[in-house]
Amino acid sequence: DTGVSQNPRHKITKRGQNVTFRCDPISEHNRLYWYRQTLGQGPEFLTYFQNEAQLEKSRLLSDRFSAERPKGSFSTLEIQRTEQGDSAMYLCASSLVGLAGGTDTQYFGPGTRLTVL
Amino acid sequence: DQQVKQNSPSLSVQEGRISILNCDYTNSMFDYFLWYKKYPAEGPTFLISISSIKDKNEDGRFTVFLNKSAKHLSLHIVPSQPGDSAVYFCAASADRGSTLGRLYFGRGTQLTVWP
Repeated sequence: DTGVSQNPRHKITKRGQNVTFRCDPISEHNRLYWYRQTLGQGPEFLTYFQNEAQLEKSRLLSDRFSAERPKGSFSTLEIQRTEQGDSAMYLCASSLVGLAGGTDTQYFGPGTRLTVL
Repeated sequence: DQQVKQNSPSLSVQEGRISILNCDYTNSMFDYFLWYKKYPAEGPTFLISISSIKDKNEDGRFTVFLNKSAKHLSLHIVPSQPGDSAVYFCAASADRGSTLGRLYFGRGTQLTVWP
């Protein structure tokens, strides 16, 4: 399977704990995105990377959230001091943007469902 | 505020008939639009997209129509099949230069296709 993979698929944690999620994009994709989806809503943008550079961050990404893509391949999203409001599905997507630009399509992984008790 | 709106939370259609899912947007800077399908416990799956320079794009049973003056797009599925039952999300991007950045999503429409 060469699609976007995310681990873990489910995470249950207690309020105040730190959690880290991993995303492996489609091979050769240079852009990687993180979104969050809560019940009854569409995915909401958090941040994205082009190669290892973090190009944009949403206001939703508070200082408790940090994302990295150290070698331009996989990415991690860490949430420190989790709160019950952080409970959501965290989605990762990747795309390929050529040197000449051009429209690209974001392909999503299965998501990590976080439950904060 | 919701810049992409899907005002119908659900749609029920008989197998073989046409399904029409609607989407409205408020940001005139949006220049690329996508539709995704989502099954429970899975990530969104890309279906079809359209650039603002076009008003129609077709791929098999799926056709997307864009009306820029009305800031409205729709997804037509003909003929509808039970396997099409899923939540459909409309998404839009405001990036210029024909490269995509963040996507803005609607809240989704649950399509149910019954035999």
